[in-house]
Formats: sequence, C-alpha cells, structure tokens
Amino acid sequence: QVQLQESGPGLVEPSGTLSLTCAVSGGSMRSFNWWSWVRQSPGKGLEWIGEIYHSGSTNYNPSLKSRVTISVDKSKNQFSLKLSSVTAADTAVYFCARGGPDGMDVWGQGTTVTVSS
Amino acid sequence: QSVLTQPRSVSGSPGQSVTISCIGITSDVGGYDYVSWYQQHPGKAPKIMIYDANKRPSGVPDRFSGSKSGNTASLTISGLQAEDEADYYCCSYAGSYTPYVFGTGTKVTVL
Repeated sequence: QVQLQESGPGLVEPSGTLSLTCAVSGGSMRSFNWWSWVRQSPGKGLEWIGEIYHSGSTNYNPSLKSRVTISVDKSKNQFSLKLSSVTAADTAVYFCARGGPDGMDVWGQGTTVTVSS
Repeated sequence: QSVLTQPRSVSGSPGQSVTISCIGITSDVGGYDYVSWYQQHPGKAPKIMIYDANKRPSGVPDRFSGSKSGNTASLTISGLQAEDEADYYCCSYAGSYTPYVFGTGTKVTVL
C-alpha cells in the first residue's frame, strides 16, 4: 500500500527557509489527486498548510500563503514544501498526507522542525 | 481562516458511548458533506476514522460513527475501549479559497 516519508533538516535558523520532501512509495502519485502538508506545533492542534494536485496545481492556507510553496517531482514520485521567513512560531511536527475533500487517508510519520539559532 | 470548535475533553468508562461535537459555519461544515475525523495517539500521525461525514474507512471498527446536522458534525464512539483514548480532530472542506480547516481537538479519556 502507499506509504509516505518526510525528510529534511530538523533545525532551521530564524528568517531562513524550511524545506521538506515527502517521498511516496507503493504507488504512483498520478493514481491519486491531492497531496497535502499539515503541521502541529508543540502541544497544539493540526494546521493545514497546503496541497498540490498531481498535475501541479496548488492551494494554500491563506494565513501562510505568502510564505509557502509546494511543488511536485513526478519523476521521483515525491512532493516538497518550502516555507520562507520562518520564526519560532513555525516550530512544529510537519506531516505529509494523501487526500482531498474526502479526507486524508494516508499520512507520513511526521518530522520535527525546530526554528532556532 | 476559521477553526472548527470542539470540546476540549470528553471522558467515559469502558463500554459507554461518548460523542464529540464539531461546530463550524455555513461556509465549511454547513456547506459541504466533506467532514472527516482523525484519531491521534501521542507521538503518532493522525489516522482517519470517518470521511464524508459518516463513512468509515476499511479497518475502522464499527463502534466509530459520524453524523452531521447543519453546521455541526459529530463523532460517536460506542462501546468505549481503552485503546480509544487519544486526541480526536475534525476537519472540513471549506471551498476553493480555504480548502481545509481543522477542529481544535478533543482529548478522549477512558476512565
């Protein structure tokens, strides 16, 4: 079955850019429509960051839109998240997930990103 | 972007039923049947329990059920079991401008 695995630096300096990749295994990204990023700040709830269609169309959370870019690399069967101008408030566990309006049915294990100098 | 309102916590004894509410507005919960529910154990990724307001994915026990009326969605756990102790989040589709909004989360405690 489809599995997702996040990867990327665990520590990012303030004002820098957070970059994460989600590798999709066990199936092609083309076989499903939407792929999302979700984050969870320490002790807090889930926050939807944005999504990408396998063709490359994107939707973003308006509160993060000015700083977020999600892209897809179909040749590597993976998609990526870039979040610029990070602050301590961006410290969180970042999850990638497969899903659309029907819900997110497959999730990565999550990766912790700390923003600190 | 609005956040869906859930009770901070609910509790029940083994075998009892608990219901978690998820209150939104007409542009999210009230406007679409695209409500999903997620169970999250500490340190783990969320797991989908309900989608399309009342459908259960394969493998989810039938003691989990979902419903929706107006701007409020609900998740009911019948026959509460120790392993159901976790955090639960609702999520609603909210249109093309702000596709998804999550609830505030509810901690379910099995007494």
